[in-house]
Amino acid sequence: DTGVSQNPRHKITKRGQNVTFRCDPISEHNRLYWYRQTLGQGPEFLTYFQNEAQLEKSRLLSDRFSAERPKGSFSTLEIQRTEQGDSAMYLCASSLDMRAGEQYFGPGTRLTVT
Amino acid sequence: GESVGLHLPTLSVQEGDNSIINCAYSNSASDYFIWYKQESGKGPQFIIDIRSNMDKRQGQRVTVLLNKTVKHLSLQIAATQPGDSAVYFCAENERHAGNQFYFGTGTSLTVIP
Repeated sequence: DTGVSQNPRHKITKRGQNVTFRCDPISEHNRLYWYRQTLGQGPEFLTYFQNEAQLEKSRLLSDRFSAERPKGSFSTLEIQRTEQGDSAMYLCASSLDMRAGEQYFGPGTRLTVT
Repeated sequence: GESVGLHLPTLSVQEGDNSIINCAYSNSASDYFIWYKQESGKGPQFIIDIRSNMDKRQGQRVTVLLNKTVKHLSLQIAATQPGDSAVYFCAENERHAGNQFYFGTGTSLTVIP
């Protein structure tokens, strides 16, 4: 399978704990995006990488959130001191430079903060 | 912030009929629009895109229409099939402003066999 993969698929954590999610994009895609999606809503942009450089972050992104893409391949999204409001589906997508809107999404990581 | 929204949250159509899903956007500077399909338990799947220098673009069984005057986007699905049942999102981007894509709320399409 050469699609976008995300791990874990589900994560349950207690409030105040840190969590980290991983995304493996399609190998030849240099663009990588993180989104958050809550029930009944469309995906909400969080951050964007071009290769290893994090070029954009949503102004809504709390400083508890951090993302990395150290070698321009896989990416991690960490949430520190989780809050119940962080409960959502976290989606990763990748694309080619010339087809930025044609994003290929992974299945997501569903986070539940208790 | 900018908003992208859909007129109809739910749509039911008979198998074989054509479907039309509408989307309104508020950022007049947006110049790139995309339609995605999301099936239950999966991530969104790209369907078709259109740039603001076009009014219409056709794909396989799908057509996207863009009316910049009223800031309206529509997705037409011909001969709707049960496999088309999903939530459909429009997304917008202002290319010169960056790489943030703003998604609408979504329309749930149900195809009745």
